Amino acid sequence: GIQVEQSPPDLILQEGANSTLRCNFSDSVNNLQWFHQNPWGQLINLFYIPSGTKQNGRLSATTVATERYSLLYISSSQTTDSGVYFCAARSNDYKLSFGAGTTVTVRA
Amino acid sequence: EAGVAQSPRYKIIEKRQSVAFWCNPISGHATLYWYQQILGQGPKLLIQFQNNGVVDDSQLPKDRFSAERLKGVDSTLKIQPAKLEDSAVYLCASSKESGRGRWDTQYFGPGTRLTVL
Repeated sequence: GIQVEQSPPDLILQEGANSTLRCNFSDSVNNLQWFHQNPWGQLINLFYIPSGTKQNGRLSATTVATERYSLLYISSSQTTDSGVYFCAARSNDYKLSFGAGTTVTVRA
Repeated sequence: EAGVAQSPRYKIIEKRQSVAFWCNPISGHATLYWYQQILGQGPKLLIQFQNNGVVDDSQLPKDRFSAERLKGVDSTLKIQPAKLEDSAVYLCASSKESGRGRWDTQYFGPGTRLTVL
């Protein structure tokens, strides 16, 4: 199946800072999603973005499918942004494969 | 719109016991997934159903895990007998996908946290 690598593994931010999370994948994708897993374990959809750019409030994401990577941008971070961010990608084998996640800690 | 429902939320059992988890997907979603998430890792797909048929169960440990989706709606995942390494969060997800080549967003339930002692 497709391999998904995320970087950095951990990120500590001061409230108000901006950050970029990266997701590299090993094959062409027809499905790529970003999730936020909150401290209670709930996986929340952020973006469905197999290609192109999307924005939702302070979050935006860009996927460059031809170069096999996706970026998640967090602007003006808040303490509620803390948690683990997962990238998940699917190629032609129908399995959504998750990366190991980036743990974000936003300090007040 | 109601989200994906799962029960129970927490379960503690002894090794070699049996346990079952239940999932009700979002109404109208044809595809249902069960994932296992071990602490510190990303979720791993165990089984994928489309309506009531299995699309992929290649990562399901079939000697002890079983799953069914009768009538193409809700689903149960069973572990019998449980091992210590089965301690994890079991996540159910659903999506609208109704056929190969048409992909859609997966929505996740709150999960069941299983502890095997």
